[in-house]
Amino acid sequence: LAKTTQPISMDSYEGQEVNITCSHNNIATNDYITWYQQFPSQGPRFIIQGYKTKVTNEVASLFIPADRKSSTLSLPRVSLSDTAVYYCLVGGVYNQGGKLIFGQGTELSVKP
Amino acid sequence: DAGVTQSPTHLIKTRGQHVTLRCSPISGHKSVSWYQQVLGQGPQFIFQYYEKEERGRGNFPDRFSARQFPNYSSELNVNALLLGDSALYLCASGNSYDSYTDTQYFGPGTRLTVL
Repeated sequence: LAKTTQPISMDSYEGQEVNITCSHNNIATNDYITWYQQFPSQGPRFIIQGYKTKVTNEVASLFIPADRKSSTLSLPRVSLSDTAVYYCLVGGVYNQGGKLIFGQGTELSVKP
Repeated sequence: DAGVTQSPTHLIKTRGQHVTLRCSPISGHKSVSWYQQVLGQGPQFIFQYYEKEERGRGNFPDRFSARQFPNYSSELNVNALLLGDSALYLCASGNSYDSYTDTQYFGPGTRLTVL
């Protein structure tokens, strides 16, 4: 199973762009990259998913290089409400017995 | 539309007791998964059910069991509670169990405290 490595924590200020990079060196051909956001005492919330190149939605962008061994979640102009833990997940999602595999995540702290 | 709902919100039990947690998936979703999240860690997969059949099981002891009902709601049961079972228990629902791009929608969780 593909393992992910991401920074434990990051600090930012309101209005800045935040980029969180995730390493997944042994990603499989059929694997997708998915990011979730979690606020304290709440369930994780889907942010974005991609397979290659660039994916953008109303919340974030996901950049995936050609070798797919890493990916970067980009949050434009963060606000205090973006303070949360961000998880990078890699897998066919359901080619692993139906389970999502979460790592420790990146704790993002946005300061005024 | 209602999202994933879980009950109860909070629960306090003592060691050795039994607990039942409940989850109602998003309307139309047939897959329900359960996760345990200990403070400071990411969620850990416990079970997945699809169409009332178990489709996946994580590395948890037999004290943990679950089932899915005809209306796709689900129960997670934990017997002989240990202090280490104290955690946030999350339920997630989805459309399928074998799609690469099926998004999982999580409920707010049940906070279980074992004293």
